[in-house]
Amino acid sequence: AQSVTQLGSHVSVSEGALVLLRCNYSSSVPPYLFWYVQYPNQGLQLLLKYTTGATLVKGINGFEAEFKKSETSFHLTKPSAHMSDAAEYFCAVSESGNQFYFGTGTSLTVIP
Amino acid sequence: SQTIHQWPATLVQPVGSPLSLECTVEGTSNPNLYWYRQAAGRGLQLLFYSVGIGQISSEVPQNLSASRPQDRQFILSSKKLLLSDSGFYLCAWSHGGLEAFFGQGTRLTVV
Repeated sequence: AQSVTQLGSHVSVSEGALVLLRCNYSSSVPPYLFWYVQYPNQGLQLLLKYTTGATLVKGINGFEAEFKKSETSFHLTKPSAHMSDAAEYFCAVSESGNQFYFGTGTSLTVIP
Repeated sequence: SQTIHQWPATLVQPVGSPLSLECTVEGTSNPNLYWYRQAAGRGLQLLFYSVGIGQISSEVPQNLSASRPQDRQFILSSKKLLLSDSGFYLCAWSHGGLEAFFGQGTRLTVV
């Protein structure tokens, strides 16, 4: 069975500081991993994804994530936070190719 | 290009009334289709998914049902709404699990 754990339901960072959002997963086979962003009252937008190949993946808006199989982790980072990064972030896993399972989300606040 | 339409954007319904939310996808064929519910502080809960016309898998038994009458149409229904059905409902589609594309969501408030 697949599951996703996002540590920290709320994260606050200062503008210009490093953003680190944590995600751990469980999967019986090599998974596909995703990070999505959601702005208030909107759908989810894909930030980045890992399917195969390079374990460090780069996404939109300066975000990147590294797939670490030994740690079953897929943490999201951005070197310098911007006010526009304030949003809800979701980590997701897909194993069978037919279903996506999401974490409970992390709300990112950026302090000016 | 592919697009996904979900309506209505907001809905206020009394307890015990029926529900019908519709989702349609354009620009692709044979998509996998999904209904998720997002409750405050609880992330996204997969409600139903479909890999083809008339094929519906339910993840969580509840007061809701789903139907796929056409290849690119996915409908979420209820005969009698409960207060606990309030939430933000999201429709999504994918091909092969490589990425899920989401609609803009429906905010349902049951009063």
